[in-house]
Amino acid sequence: DAGITQSPRHKVTETGTPVTLRCHQTENHRYMYWYRQDPGHGLRLIHYSYGVKDTDKGEVSDGYSVSRSKTEDFLLTLESATSSQTSVYFCAISAEQDIRTDTQYFGPGTRLTVL
Amino acid sequence: AQSVTQLGSHVSVSEGALVLLRCNYSSSVPPYLFWYVQYPNQGLQLLLKYTSAATLVKGINGFEAEFKKSETSFHLTKPSAHMSDAAEYFCAVRLFSGGYNKLIFGAGTRLAVHP
Repeated sequence: DAGITQSPRHKVTETGTPVTLRCHQTENHRYMYWYRQDPGHGLRLIHYSYGVKDTDKGEVSDGYSVSRSKTEDFLLTLESATSSQTSVYFCAISAEQDIRTDTQYFGPGTRLTVL
Repeated sequence: AQSVTQLGSHVSVSEGALVLLRCNYSSSVPPYLFWYVQYPNQGLQLLLKYTSAATLVKGINGFEAEFKKSETSFHLTKPSAHMSDAAEYFCAVRLFSGGYNKLIFGAGTRLAVHP
């Protein structure tokens, strides 16, 4: 298994509070991604990173920010959590962009509940 | 724009029966396609991917998928279902935008295998 950990694995919080999710990798992969998984929607990309301090928005980025100060860590922050952000969040990593070798490896997920 | 549609959010088969999970894609360029599997309370794991090298792609755990351009399909099959195949399966297409490759996922198909 790819060395990807996510913390916390479960979190319950209240509307309006800030929340930070952490993704940590030991593979030294350049690319990192944050997805959310919701029933009927599959996985949707929130933000991604193509290097330290280099990040960009995905298809559902509103209400989320990210930071990557080290190769191994990619943080996802909900500045003011809302109930619509209740979801399961997955981090993924990949080493290459070449289709022959490009594979995204996924972490175990973080289940976030916003009350 | 690239997208995928998975037909059937739930599929139920008997142990030993054929598994067929359907995925149709939409793409303005030659697509690169993926199937991922998610076991309960776990992250996603790559089953197989199509990179234009061969239209019939073999993956892990006895699964395979055939790329059919004329039908814009990439259906996943397994000749004989096993109880351990019960999971959720996601089809995805590679999207190139913003200078980098991303994955666009279908909504998923949950496979149940009964004795």
